[in-house]
Amino acid sequence: DTAVSQTPKYLVTQMGNDKSIKCEQNLGHDTMYWYKQDSKKFLKIMFSYNNKELIINETVPNRFSPKSPDKAHLNLHINSLELGDSAVYFCASSLRGGLKETQYFGPGTRLLVL
Amino acid sequence: AQKITQTQPGMFVQEKEAVTLDCTYDTSDQSYGLFWYKQPSSGEMIFLIYQGSYDEQNATEGRYSLNFQKARKSANLVISASQLGDSAMYFCAMRERTSGSRLTFGEGTQLTVNP
Repeated sequence: DTAVSQTPKYLVTQMGNDKSIKCEQNLGHDTMYWYKQDSKKFLKIMFSYNNKELIINETVPNRFSPKSPDKAHLNLHINSLELGDSAVYFCASSLRGGLKETQYFGPGTRLLVL
Repeated sequence: AQKITQTQPGMFVQEKEAVTLDCTYDTSDQSYGLFWYKQPSSGEMIFLIYQGSYDEQNATEGRYSLNFQKARKSANLVISASQLGDSAMYFCAMRERTSGSRLTFGEGTQLTVNP
């Protein structure tokens, strides 16, 4: 009965590799997000999609490319991984609605770049 | 400038006591929403409580309440009757009307509940 799911949960890879993280939500939400949590636990938004349209694109290296095939899925592809990409990546979803629309988070993907 | 400030990197509380986690925010928007999330050691982010800038009453959800002081731009989380399972990282976050749907998070407060 998972609301927001992410795969994989753990990802260990070498510098220079390309990897993808997948996210799916079954809450019927129309907006999805990617957040990055660094080693100091600081959470920062990276991207947001509403109904497959990119609406937030923070200052993120263009090695990061989100893709939303439909409003229930949002994937994150990372090219040429660097050591500094090591972090926990969270997917979240919400209704676009008003200010009070709560964002529900997935379990996170722990990425370690060696 | 930091939009959300949580000045307590770590807090300790005895089981069954109440604890207040501080959060101050900075915005020029009149319309905004404030959220608190809990992140236990297992890593997931759990939504706790929401307060809107125009809400006249402080939000409450079970043992969680939000002490909202608009003039001071503070939105402190109060946890009553602390339990061992409350030990976690707590994040304050804000959504501003002019920022679309993005949430801006504070740096978090690590709460430890002692038996």
